[in-house]
Amino acid sequence: NAGVMQNPRHLVRRRGQEARLRCSPVKGHSHVYWYRQLPEEGLKFMVYLQKENIIDESGMPKERFSAEFPKEGPSILRIQQVVRGDSAAYFCASSPSGEAFFGQGTRLTVV
Amino acid sequence: QKEVEQNSGPLSVPEGAIASLNCTYSDRGSQSFFWYRQYSGKSPELIMFIYSNGDKEDGRFTAQLNKASQYVSLLIRDSQPSDSATYLCAVTIGGSSNTGKLIFGQGTTLQVKP
Repeated sequence: NAGVMQNPRHLVRRRGQEARLRCSPVKGHSHVYWYRQLPEEGLKFMVYLQKENIIDESGMPKERFSAEFPKEGPSILRIQQVVRGDSAAYFCASSPSGEAFFGQGTRLTVV
Repeated sequence: QKEVEQNSGPLSVPEGAIASLNCTYSDRGSQSFFWYRQYSGKSPELIMFIYSNGDKEDGRFTAQLNKASQYVSLLIRDSQPSDSATYLCAVTIGGSSNTGKLIFGQGTTLQVKP
């Protein structure tokens, strides 16, 4: 769904740097989900947020990863001290309360 | 055992034929089922969802659900080369009504040959 906006579309980071991925949901959608798609693997749920609240972070790695969805502004997925294994496509999806629609994704490459 | 299982393919069909994509899932409590299409390098695009046993038709697409057999399928009639993509089956976590938190299969690659 073109309404879910993610940026940047491509991000290159050196090992040890921080990566910040942004997601603006479809206007009026209050539910945001982050997914990761590793090369040659399926989509994996990471975290579910509503405005100012993390509802379910059961899919988030225990360290280095965090997410937020502030009252104003986009949702942010933050990866600290990136490693090569973090290279993947990260997709954000939003939903009003039903079916989820995905943004175009951010392709993170760690060099 | 994988929670959502799909044949990775590739499934190759001639243009104009019916493509049949299959998916099985392990959690009997799953309530909602989705088919997404993903072109190479692009994002998943929702094409069908089904919540009740039986068939659901939308244009050239028909989703079929059999909860007793834990099986969901997607039929694409009059397949076109533009249908060539990876088709992802996704299901909700058992006992949850959250239709955004999904378990995805690995996807089936469909090739429609002119």
